[in-house]
Amino acid sequence: DIQMTQSPSSLPASVGDRVTITCRASESIRSYLNWYQQKPGKAPKLLIYAASSLQSGVPSRFSGSGSGTDFTLTISSLQPEDFATYYCQQSYSTPRTFGQGTMVEI
Amino acid sequence: QVTLRESGPVLVKPTQTLTLTCTFSGFSLSTSGMCVSWIRQPPGKALEWLARIDWDDGKYYSTSLETRLTISKDTSKNQVVLTMTNMDPVDTATYYCARAGIPAAGYDYWGQGTLVTVSS
Repeated sequence: DIQMTQSPSSLPASVGDRVTITCRASESIRSYLNWYQQKPGKAPKLLIYAASSLQSGVPSRFSGSGSGTDFTLTISSLQPEDFATYYCQQSYSTPRTFGQGTMVEI
Repeated sequence: QVTLRESGPVLVKPTQTLTLTCTFSGFSLSTSGMCVSWIRQPPGKALEWLARIDWDDGKYYSTSLETRLTISKDTSKNQVVLTMTNMDPVDTATYYCARAGIPAAGYDYWGQGTLVTVSS
C-alpha cells in the first residue's frame, strides 16, 4: 500500500495568512493526488484533483502543486470558513489511501 | 443533481455482520468509468478507505480489511452494498459512500455519512 504522510498535523493560523500543507507519498504517484477539506460533523469536500486542478465551485485562493512523491496545498489568504481539517488522498493505485490530516486552527 | 445516502444499523454487537447500503441518484453506475467507494472515519480520527466497486463490476478492497469486506451493486436500484463481518468495537466509525467519475479521480460527491457503533 502507498503511505501518505501529511505535515504538519496541526497548523495554527490567522485570517489573511498564507497557509501551506505538504503531503508526501511513499512512492511515486505521478499527479494522482487529491485534496479534501472537512469540517466537524460534515463529509469531506473535494478541493483539488490531479494535484493541481481546482474542483468546480472551489475558491481560487486554494491551489495545489507537485508530482511524483511531494505535493502541497496552499491557501493564499486564509478566510474564517477555511478553518478545517485537510486530507490528501492518492488515486494512483488500489487500495486508495489518505493522509492523516492537517487541522488548520485559529 | 448527484446525491448519495448511506443507510444501515446505528448499533451492532461485536462479532455481528454489518450491512450498509448506499442509495444514489443523479448518475448511473453502469456509465463507463463510474465508481462508488466506501470510506470510514472513527471518531476524532482520519479517513480510511475501505472498498470500491466500478461500473464494470471491478471490486477492490482495503488490504487490512479485505477478508472481512464484500462490496456489491444493484444497478437497477442505484444501490451499492457493503458488508463487513466480525465487527469489533474498533470498527465504530462514521461510514461514508462517495462517487468518483473515473477511478483515478477524486471523490466529488459524498453521502452525509452514517455513524455505526459497535458495542454489546
